[in-house]
Amino acid sequence: DQQVKQNSPSLSVQEGRISILNCDYTNSMFDYFLWYKKYPAEGPTFLISISSIKDKNEDGRFTVFLNKSAKHLSLHIVPSQPGDSAVYFCAASEGTYKYIFGTGTRLKVLA
Amino acid sequence: GAGVSQSPSNKVTEKGKDVELRCDPISGHTALYWYRQSLGQGLEFLIYFQGNSAPDKSGLPSDRFSAERTGGSVSTLTIQRTQQEDSAVYLCASSLGSTINYGYTFGSGTRLTVV
Repeated sequence: DQQVKQNSPSLSVQEGRISILNCDYTNSMFDYFLWYKKYPAEGPTFLISISSIKDKNEDGRFTVFLNKSAKHLSLHIVPSQPGDSAVYFCAASEGTYKYIFGTGTRLKVLA
Repeated sequence: GAGVSQSPSNKVTEKGKDVELRCDPISGHTALYWYRQSLGQGLEFLIYFQGNSAPDKSGLPSDRFSAERTGGSVSTLTIQRTQQEDSAVYLCASSLGSTINYGYTFGSGTRLTVV
């Protein structure tokens, strides 16, 4: 039973446009969320986080939105760049070290 | 080193053999985690070490899996009598503490293939 779901396995976006990656979760006790980016043959790298006391966190071109009532979070990348092409994972935790990860979305930014 | 180092990067083994996967965390990081990613799956938590505390082994899928962390630094994940379903990328991560509001640092992983 997947507690964290990324229903879109892949996404293609034109360079300069917005990329929106979605993540849904089922456990209402999750209160901390992370996004990771993974290039081939490398480990995932931390991108951005959000806690449940916020509904938005922004870092440069990356913004994460959290809708607690819908149990949904999204990562927006604006503007998208070819170097953003990677697999993006969302992860959720009940405030402990143990994170539950989604299956990832492969983003391809077309030049 | 500057990052989390894992070895080997790739391992092909015959079904029934034992394998050992190694992780060198970032120096000074007290917390160490093992995750694995099977084909088409998310990252699955396996085990967590924090300082001298008893490890959280709740994610280990069977008693064929074990892990240790010597001297609070290097960790070894051992899989005995490997099965084909053990084929996955095994990722090690470390962090400064047990509270994660800045994410783990992952290694590049060990791709294990059981034939």
